[in-house]
Amino acid sequence: GAVVSQHPSRVICKSGTSVKIECRSLDFQATTMFWYRQFPKKSLMLMATSNEGSKATYEQGVEKDKFLINHASLTLSTLTVTSAHPEDSSFYICSAQAGGEKLFFGSGTQLSVL
Amino acid sequence: RKEVEQDPGPFNVPEGATVAFNCTYSNSASQSFFWYRQDCRKEPKLLMSVYSSGNEDGRFTAQLNRASQYISLLIRDSKLSDSATYLCVVTVNTGKLIFGQGTTLQVKP
Repeated sequence: GAVVSQHPSRVICKSGTSVKIECRSLDFQATTMFWYRQFPKKSLMLMATSNEGSKATYEQGVEKDKFLINHASLTLSTLTVTSAHPEDSSFYICSAQAGGEKLFFGSGTQLSVL
Repeated sequence: RKEVEQDPGPFNVPEGATVAFNCTYSNSASQSFFWYRQDCRKEPKLLMSVYSSGNEDGRFTAQLNRASQYISLLIRDSKLSDSATYLCVVTVNTGKLIFGQGTTLQVKP
């Protein structure tokens, strides 16, 4: 089946640093990728929709300058958390859509900002 | 009001029990419906799609009631391995998936 690879799986960083998370579709071309954030015991919240070759569409309340998304190719999207703060600590998950509605999820990244 | 609402639980049931989860959604224009399963700190995995006619996959039965904007998941003969969080998911006409908070199931021996 289709596979989406997400790295790193876990990152611990100091407050003020930037963290980049990669999401790759390994055996299919993903025209659309989604980035979600999940706080403990809460649902996945869509942060942004990333379309190859165009600017990402951010959900209401998500700062585009803080969460930089780049979808440079049909197999790679990156999320950069800039100037991370402790309140950004969360579980970030990407998903990729090849066509139609079926989504394939990455394994998630647990970000801890000290 | 949340777009997709679920009782977070937890539901604690013994092995072999039958358990049912419910979900309501607010957008009458919602197009597709799914149940996902998520284990702790793992990615969600598609359990099954949900259709108005109802669909069954082994011990799992899903049902959609469009008039009431209500989705259900029934698990029969619960196994220990069924312990997880079950996410109700709805798509809207933009193609976005909207996730419910999830319902936690704990199956006890």
